[in-house]
Amino acid sequence: DGGITQSPKYLFRKEGQNVTLSCEQNLNHDAMYWYRQDPGQGLRLIYYSQIVNDFQKGDIAEGYSVSREKKESFPLTVTSAQKNPTAFYLCASSIADSETQYFGPGTRLLVL
Amino acid sequence: SQQGEEDPQALSIQEGENATMNCSYKTSINNLQWYRQNSGRGLVHLILIRSNEREKHSGRLRVTLDTSKKSSSLLITASRAADTASYFCATDNQGGKLIFGQGTELSVKP
Repeated sequence: DGGITQSPKYLFRKEGQNVTLSCEQNLNHDAMYWYRQDPGQGLRLIYYSQIVNDFQKGDIAEGYSVSREKKESFPLTVTSAQKNPTAFYLCASSIADSETQYFGPGTRLLVL
Repeated sequence: SQQGEEDPQALSIQEGENATMNCSYKTSINNLQWYRQNSGRGLVHLILIRSNEREKHSGRLRVTLDTSKKSSSLLITASRAADTASYFCATDNQGGKLIFGQGTELSVKP
């Protein structure tokens, strides 16, 4: 079954803590993306990667970090520098830039 | 930076009616895409229309693109309660990234 998975579904962060959101795809896609969605809003791009071992900042990268060591995996770390992390985080992949993106089910991050 | 803007922000119709959503954008594009999002879920791709295409159909969906007016519309015919969702347009900024609008929230009442 081809697809893109995200875990966990819900994540709770304590003050000053770094947390990592997982994103895995078995679609053999080169490009992967992380978006943040706030209630009633569209998606804002955090980071994207067009190829293994390379990634670029999106529009709201501050307080976040990523790695792309494997084609299948693109984890996102929300660092303690991100002061307002409560949001719905969506990971996506595509065969190439600007083409159809396939989304995971999302991770909802809440602050304790 | 926001490229696409959907209109209206919210739309409520009866089952069986048609739903039309519009998207306007600011700069030249390679393609424009429409996605659907059910509450609390990931986005699902509906249709992609390239800048040299004017109209595209997929089942009950019809998308038009007017590059001279920098606008697109999504028509859902014979709507069903299951079509209730948020609909987003996304444009590529010719730098490889998609930029999403804020969405139209569609409610189809049985």
